[in-house]
Amino acid sequence: GAVVSQHPSRVICKSGTSVKIECRSLDFQATTMFWYRQFPKQSLMLMATSNEGSKATYEQGVEKDKFLINHASLTLSTLTVTSAHPEDSSFYICSGGTGERPTEAFFGQGTRLTVV
Amino acid sequence: ELKVEQNPLFLSMQEGKNYTIYCNYSTTSDRLYWYRQDPGKSLESLFVLLSNGAVKQEGRLMASLDTKARLSTLHITAAVHDLSATYFCAVGRNAGNNRKLIWGLGTSLAVNP
Repeated sequence: GAVVSQHPSRVICKSGTSVKIECRSLDFQATTMFWYRQFPKQSLMLMATSNEGSKATYEQGVEKDKFLINHASLTLSTLTVTSAHPEDSSFYICSGGTGERPTEAFFGQGTRLTVV
Repeated sequence: ELKVEQNPLFLSMQEGKNYTIYCNYSTTSDRLYWYRQDPGKSLESLFVLLSNGAVKQEGRLMASLDTKARLSTLHITAAVHDLSATYFCAVGRNAGNNRKLIWGLGTSLAVNP
């Protein structure tokens, strides 16, 4: 199956700093990448949808200036959490899709972000 | 607005027993997914159901879809401890190649010896 590699798997950062999370599609071209966050024992919340080469579409209530998404190539999308605060601590997961397999979504391994 | 409801949210069962998890959704959709998540891990795809009456089985898990009732079930047969995890259903918004998914809250399954 198609693989999405997400890094880092865990990161601890200080309040006020920025953290970048990368998702790479290893064996397919991810025309679309979805970014989710998940709080403990809760469901996934879609943050934004990015299409290669265009600006991301953010879900209501998600600050686009705080969660910067870049999808500059068909194999790489990044989420940067800027000026992180403890309430940004969460599990972040990316999911890639390709037009060749339109009904499938391929998930990264997730990133556990802790802001101290 | 598409909403997805799962029940039960918590399920504790004994090994060897059978049980069913239900997933209801509020508007029409062309695809429904079941995923498994282990603690601290990402999601593992279990099933993708694309048509009314679709039934898929993998090991002790069987998923079905009734698009008229807007209901999917995940049936567990003769549960074993290794099945302990959280199970999510997700429904695709009915927009062709748009793969946005609306997620249920998840069912936390604990299989006890």
